[in-house]
Amino acid sequence: DADVTQTPRNRITKTGKRIMLECSQTKGHDRMYWYRQDPGLGLRLIYYSFDVKDINKGEISDGYSVSRQAQAKFSLSLESAIPNQTALYFCATARDRGTDTQYFGPGTRLTVL
Amino acid sequence: AQSVTQLGSHVSVSEGALVLLRCNYSSSVPPYLFWYVQYPNQGLQLLLKYTSAATLVKGINGFEAEFKKSETSFHLTKPSAHMSDAAEYFCAVRGGGGADGLTFGKGTHLIIQP
Repeated sequence: DADVTQTPRNRITKTGKRIMLECSQTKGHDRMYWYRQDPGLGLRLIYYSFDVKDINKGEISDGYSVSRQAQAKFSLSLESAIPNQTALYFCATARDRGTDTQYFGPGTRLTVL
Repeated sequence: AQSVTQLGSHVSVSEGALVLLRCNYSSSVPPYLFWYVQYPNQGLQLLLKYTSAATLVKGINGFEAEFKKSETSFHLTKPSAHMSDAAEYFCAVRGGGGADGLTFGKGTHLIIQP
């Protein structure tokens, strides 16, 4: 079984709709992250969380919100989706900072029409 | 702020040839550097990471990278390319100054010619 899972894997929605992407992990890690990937731009950090009470903005948090429901669950929401939020979204987890490895989920491909 | 530059959005090599993917970083503190690989329609997988224990780092699938502080570089190499190495490769630096998360380069698409 995968250690980091994301649902849905693919989603097509319309401009203005609210959408939630979910991430679950069985690795027992405290740190969780949301990134978006755009062709030619690499991955950029949206939000990260050190634990259920500690949420931090990343490089591109505008237009997004997150919820850390439990150690194992970290959700990303788009309150009112817009077409330039069309991207591949990845969740990641890590046990600690510094040299500790971040483990990535399989990604969610989101298309906003 | 930390940043990563990957030279060449696409690199093409022949099967059996040397693979060299370039990465330069900018960091005001000792960097934590990583190389990840992304196969088509998959997530990212760690290839190797620099932990300051050794400047030459060996990773999975025959890849290695050398940390050169004087050149602020962390280039990825593999002596002999295989068709299965075709993928997107990302160099990344871990946050500093209280911040967390990875700062990624824009990626290099490795093409293997038969």
